Amino acid sequence: AQSVTQPDIHITVSEGASLELRCNYSYGATPYLFWYVQSPGQGLQLLLKYFSGDTLVQGIKGFEAEFKRSQSSFNLRKPSVHWSDAAEYFCAVAPYSGAGSYQLTFGKGTKLSVIP
Amino acid sequence: SAVISQKPSRDICQRGTSLTIQCQVDSQVTMMFWYRQQPGQSLTLIATANQGSEATYESGFVIDKFPISRPNLTFSTLTVSNMSPEDSSIYLCSAAAPNRANLAKNIQYFGAGTRLSVL
Repeated sequence: AQSVTQPDIHITVSEGASLELRCNYSYGATPYLFWYVQSPGQGLQLLLKYFSGDTLVQGIKGFEAEFKRSQSSFNLRKPSVHWSDAAEYFCAVAPYSGAGSYQLTFGKGTKLSVIP
Repeated sequence: SAVISQKPSRDICQRGTSLTIQCQVDSQVTMMFWYRQQPGQSLTLIATANQGSEATYESGFVIDKFPISRPNLTFSTLTVSNMSPEDSSIYLCSAAAPNRANLAKNIQYFGAGTRLSVL
């Protein structure tokens, strides 16, 4: 069965500092990969996704993620964090299927705190 | 993208009662999903709501406890039945994007969630 590991439960960074959130997955092939953000009291918002092609994907709010097949990783990065980025971030995977696949498996999330 | 509206946004309920959560999508979607997010935890899929057929439940979730309806391609409800304090969670609805291309099927969009507290 597929699984997603986000090793960092809580990360604190200073505003303006760079950010990297780690995500590793376990799956027999390359799955579809996603990052979602959940702001306090809100639902989940899709930040970015990887299906195929260029392994560096750009998302909303200045975020990017890099897929590394050899490391089974899909780490999320941002060069300069803003206070409004404080939220919980979830990595998710869906099995690759030519016919389309719907089920997502989520990591446990990383809570990001930003120090002014 | 799809816009998902969920209501109620929050509720406080008494033990033994039931609550029905509504999920409305602004466009026709193939698949809708219901998740539970327990305090401090990640999302766990409860079931997939299929239009015109019974929902498909994940291991650990049963229809008697979480009956689901999907009367059309834009609407679904989840009922949390005979509630206990252990049911206190956020319940989220999601929908797969409209089927314009194979890959587009794989994007799920989420509602804001229903925050349920059971006393």
